[in-house]
Amino acid sequence: EDQVTQSPEALRLQEGESSSLNCSYTVSGLRGLFWYRQDPGKGPEFLFTLYSAGEEKEKERLKATLTKKESFLHITAPKPEDSATYLCAATVNFGNEKLTFGTGTRLTIIP
Amino acid sequence: NAGVTQTPKFRVLKTGQSMTLLCAQDMNHEYMYWYRQDPGMGLRLIHYSVGEGTTAKGEVPDGYNVSRLKKQNFLLGLESAAPSQTSVYFCASSYSPPGAGYTFGSGTRLTVV
Repeated sequence: EDQVTQSPEALRLQEGESSSLNCSYTVSGLRGLFWYRQDPGKGPEFLFTLYSAGEEKEKERLKATLTKKESFLHITAPKPEDSATYLCAATVNFGNEKLTFGTGTRLTIIP
Repeated sequence: NAGVTQTPKFRVLKTGQSMTLLCAQDMNHEYMYWYRQDPGMGLRLIHYSVGEGTTAKGEVPDGYNVSRLKKQNFLLGLESAAPSQTSVYFCASSYSPPGAGYTFGSGTRLTVV
């Protein structure tokens, strides 16, 4: 059974304190690994897609990386506006793009 | 540019009542999806569609039906609501080929009492 596990469940950081969120996956034949950001009361917002081990993508203070077993979302010098829940998802079939989601990491940045 | 619009945003139903959730997208996306999000469970796929006139079951389809009569609309129906269907429902759409990610709506919070 395809599974995506995120850790930690919640993370509190001081403004400027860098850290990483983890997403481990056990899927048969990963075709794509996605990261989303979700603010309270809103739908998830697409951040990145990673396709193969070794790939990295960056957007402002966020950098996503991918290995054969897990993905990391690195947050450098975060600001309070980076507070959100970050979701990871995997797909094994590009024919319909069905995604298996993790339960998310709730990130709080303290000013 | 509205993206993905879900209606209604909130609804309270009594057990056994029926309702339809509407999802509309204006991006000409081929693929559309309905997910439910519950605390500690993550997003789970209910039904999806790969094009106008097509539908398919996802991970948790029981108790729900869908229709995609027009490319821009994807309807989710609950024929006889149950308390277990209390959840936040998200519609999403995407292009084919893949990789650009989904565009999600803002969600419908449904409570069944």
